[in-house]
Amino acid sequence: LAKTTQPISMDSYEGQEVNITCSHNNIATNDYITWYQQFPSQGPRFIIQGYKTKVTNEVASLFIPADRKSSTLSLPRVSLSDTAVYYCLVSNDYKLSFGAGTTVTVRA
Amino acid sequence: DGGITQSPKYLFRKEGQNVTLSCEQNLNHDAMYWYRQDPGQGLRLIYYSQIVNDFQKGDIAEGYSVSREKKESFPLTVTSAQKNPTAFYLCASSRRGHYQETQYFGPGTRLLVL
Repeated sequence: LAKTTQPISMDSYEGQEVNITCSHNNIATNDYITWYQQFPSQGPRFIIQGYKTKVTNEVASLFIPADRKSSTLSLPRVSLSDTAVYYCLVSNDYKLSFGAGTTVTVRA
Repeated sequence: DGGITQSPKYLFRKEGQNVTLSCEQNLNHDAMYWYRQDPGQGLRLIYYSQIVNDFQKGDIAEGYSVSREKKESFPLTVTSAQKNPTAFYLCASSRRGHYQETQYFGPGTRLLVL
């Protein structure tokens, strides 16, 4: 299964857009990409999932280029409550691989 | 409220002792999972179960055991064979037993060694 690589940390300010890129160079045809958010001492929470192109929901967008070797989670107009760790997950029916997570800190 | 509960929130283990972490879900999900989380690392899969009375080893199953006698429950035992058990343990469930299914996580149990 594809190994996932994410930046360790990112800083932002309230109202800005935050883009987190995950690299998964060896992604396979049947792999999906999912992003989770985790607050300290809590379990992760599902944000968004995609296979190719662009997916958007009420909280985020996920951009996946044609070669699928990376994906970018976009958080529009972040607030202080978006400070958390964000995990990229590549998975198929039989295996899964979580990235090490990106700590996003939003400042006032 | 539907969801996943884990207990206890904190657990202390003495050397040579087995301890059991509880995980219960009322989402009527078929699949359940146990993960271990260490500081600065992602989640690593310990065991998973796609249906009752069936479970498979994940990437780091050594020193752990599980059972799945009921759909709602998936307890994890950390045995004395696990030499470095201090970590945050997360239980999750999904509607079906495919890894690309959305997983719903419990609040976690933090295990510390005395």
